[in-house]
Amino acid sequence: SYVLTQPPSVSVAPGQTARITCGGNNIGSKSVHWYQQKPGQAPVLAVFDDDDRPSGIPERFSGSNSGNTATLTISRVEAGDEADYYCQVWDSSADHPDVVFGEGTKLTVL
Amino acid sequence: QVQLQESGPGLVKPSETLSLTCTVSGGSISSYYWSWIRQPPGKGLEWIGFIFSSGSTNYNPSLTSRVTVSADTSKNQFSLKLSSVTAADTAVYYCARHLSYIAAARDWGQGTLVTVSS
Repeated sequence: SYVLTQPPSVSVAPGQTARITCGGNNIGSKSVHWYQQKPGQAPVLAVFDDDDRPSGIPERFSGSNSGNTATLTISRVEAGDEADYYCQVWDSSADHPDVVFGEGTKLTVL
Repeated sequence: QVQLQESGPGLVKPSETLSLTCTVSGGSISSYYWSWIRQPPGKGLEWIGFIFSSGSTNYNPSLTSRVTVSADTSKNQFSLKLSSVTAADTAVYYCARHLSYIAAARDWGQGTLVTVSS
């Protein structure tokens, strides 16, 4: 089965840029989605199809995807961005489509 | 704006079957992909399975022997059954909607905690 690898944690000072990676075999050939989850809340879609933002998500959130790594970038980080972030893809390598999540990354705003 | 709401028992005994329902409002379940996703306390998200509007299903290979997802279009609901549960199945269970194959889970329910304990 397909595996997505994320760093357990990322720390950044307010106003700086946070980059959260998601590694997977040839992930650049897949559409990557990113979710933000704050404590006690359901996940919220932050970036979809590698680099698109749903309405209501600040322009500070962006994504990229190439080769074996996808990246969620949060510019001008704010205290309210502190949350867990998950990447997600669909994998059809086993002739039926599966939804796969990364293990999640905890973003700490220092 | 579609809304999803999970419902079902919050406590299930070991070896029994966990049953949850997701009620969808503001949109028809006769289209799109509808997933169940869970999150054990303090851990990450795990996809359980989905049902497509045609009625076809697919399940996480690690759970496929115990999972059934079905839909009732007359009630605009879809359901999850997970058999032979153990404490490891204790989790917050979410239902979610994908607009299409390979699409993100754009809409989520609030989640419901199911505890497996005697």
